[in-house]
Amino acid sequence: EIVLTQSPGTLSLSPGERATLSCRASQSVSSSYLAWYQQKPGQAPRLLIYGTSSRATGIPDRFSGSGSGTDFTLTISRLEPEDFAVYYCQQYGSSWLYTFGQGTKLEIK
Amino acid sequence: QVQLVQSGAEVKKPGASVKVSCKASGYTFTSHDINWVRQATGQGLEWMGWMNPNSGNTGYAQKFQGRVTMTRNNSIRTAYMELSSLRSEDTAVYYCARWVGAPKYYFDYWGQGTLVTVSS
Repeated sequence: EIVLTQSPGTLSLSPGERATLSCRASQSVSSSYLAWYQQKPGQAPRLLIYGTSSRATGIPDRFSGSGSGTDFTLTISRLEPEDFAVYYCQQYGSSWLYTFGQGTKLEIK
Repeated sequence: QVQLVQSGAEVKKPGASVKVSCKASGYTFTSHDINWVRQATGQGLEWMGWMNPNSGNTGYAQKFQGRVTMTRNNSIRTAYMELSSLRSEDTAVYYCARWVGAPKYYFDYWGQGTLVTVSS
């Protein structure tokens, strides 16, 4: 089973700043199979990025994804107040298995 | 529009079973697998398994093998997740999520979540 490790656990930034969130896999992951989700308190996760770098429908272009192999990054270019949330990376592996990272909490500084 | 609407909160005693439903609308139910993901309070997301509504085929995370059963009733466009031998550690919000479909492997729509509390 592939383990995803996200860092940092908590990121404290101010609106307007740039956020860089990391997701590291224990084994190589196909770029097609790496996704990012945003979750706000009391809500279900929302798809942000799929296939490492494709934005989901309705996601603003300040969100971008990159990476390959075992290292993947979610970047938010200029933080808006509504971006403060928890972010999860997710990968799909063989035998129809999915795993999530433990999450990065993005909080207002 | 695509919607997944889950059943309401449940309180169960240790050792009991719980069955959570997920009613789909706005798309062809049999065209997309339904996955189940749970989240303990203050914790991260944990994938539990998938179910293909067309064939009824399922696949479960090893952690839940033998305790979870995912089924469906296509006539009412509803998927079910049943978890047995409940223990306190199973207290969590349980989500259903739609798999977008090959060759893409992510979940594009989610249910609102169902809180299952296991307590004596």
